[in-house]
Amino acid sequence: GAGVSQSPSNKVTEKGKDVELRCDPISGHTALYWYRQSLGQGLEFLIYFQGNSAPDKSGLPSDRFSAERTGGSVSTLTIQRTQQEDSAVYLCASSLGGAGRGTEAFFGQGTRLTVV
Amino acid sequence: SQQGEEDPQALSIQEGENATMNCSYKTSINNLQWYRQNSGRGLVHLILIRSNEREKHSGRLRVTLDTSKKSSSLLITASRAADTASYFCATDGRSSNTGKLIFGQGTTLQVKP
Repeated sequence: GAGVSQSPSNKVTEKGKDVELRCDPISGHTALYWYRQSLGQGLEFLIYFQGNSAPDKSGLPSDRFSAERTGGSVSTLTIQRTQQEDSAVYLCASSLGGAGRGTEAFFGQGTRLTVV
Repeated sequence: SQQGEEDPQALSIQEGENATMNCSYKTSINNLQWYRQNSGRGLVHLILIRSNEREKHSGRLRVTLDTSKKSSSLLITASRAADTASYFCATDGRSSNTGKLIFGQGTTLQVKP
């Protein structure tokens, strides 16, 4: 497809389990972002990948969160030992270049994570 | 911490009226973008304004940027019920070397038919 694809759309997991969220960016987009959005709130920046540069991990809330981007394309966000406060919608976006270059970001539809 | 902060947090107007949303940010920027979100899922890009621009138009949208006040406004003219959504500003934060895109808390707009 032509857009950003995220899977799964919804994920319900038990507290303490690990989860993996996947993002397929638009082909050719060098920049990839992960955000978290709690109900009725704004977008909380998590991590940013740009080409072959070291990722900006400054938004990851704890060491239970990690992300990787393989081959400059698909990205996986992993949350270990999930907690109830991790429940949120996780949004992925990609763009041709970094935000400083003024390129728009294209968003996936998100993964709604519910930790029970 | 968030780079952009929108106000008001919520806005309710009648169809046909104009809606104005404001965004303030903290650090120097290269550009500022506005996005729209329906139903709490993916965001859609509306318009981008560069730091050397003061005003930009796109259809019923008008965006202004005042870099001296570190603020921007989004005006939607002749609003429609379909404009009901949340609107976010996003900045690149020129002081950030990584070029990440930082969003504000958003304004929830309700347009009543």
